[in-house]
Amino acid sequence: QVTLRESGPALVKPTQTLTLTCTFSGFSLSTSGMCVSWIRQPPGKALEWLALIDWDDDKYYSTSLKTRLTISKDTSKNQVVLTMTNMDPVDTATYYCARITGSQDAFDIWGQGTMVTVSS
Amino acid sequence: SSELTQDPAVSVALGQTVRITCQGDSLRSYYASWYQQKPGQAPVLVIYGKNNRPSGIPDRFSGSSSGNTASLTITGAQAEDEADYYCNSRDSSGNHLRVFGGGTKLTVL
Repeated sequence: QVTLRESGPALVKPTQTLTLTCTFSGFSLSTSGMCVSWIRQPPGKALEWLALIDWDDDKYYSTSLKTRLTISKDTSKNQVVLTMTNMDPVDTATYYCARITGSQDAFDIWGQGTMVTVSS
Repeated sequence: SSELTQDPAVSVALGQTVRITCQGDSLRSYYASWYQQKPGQAPVLVIYGKNNRPSGIPDRFSGSSSGNTASLTITGAQAEDEADYYCNSRDSSGNHLRVFGGGTKLTVL
């Protein structure tokens, strides 16, 4: 069974750096074609794609946020980490991680999401 | 970068057929995938590729594409299909950049 679970702080202050961890099971991120992505959703708003890391350690970022984002993986721990610098109240959102497989090229399994509030 | 455009809201009578559309230049090159999201829940993949359903997704959900428009069709909509629906595809630049549509709120009357 494939599962993903996001973890991180529920509250961060403006200008701080957010670090989120996606811990997954049921697949290996070293398998060809496998990817893990981060997506966020502000309250009442649409999904926004943030970043993706693939099995070959290639990394891709949202054009509008790439200067603030860093994605990395620890294959031995089955974890993908996202950092976002200089947090602002507009970054308040539920942050999801999701898997992409090479065969489907779609986010087939999602974590339950973690809500992050940016406030002083 | 690319954009995907969806109608904000669509309604359908119970048991009728509804089409939800997604427009964008990237759809001329890449398939859309479609996600259903109910309040307080994570999105669920319902259609991917040319017209593929993950295991467990009812066959009343189908997908199609023409030119710069992808469509999700629900044939015989049920009350439980009331949800937000999002399309997603690769960015026009290719590789692994992705983009979501703004979402469509489906109401089943």
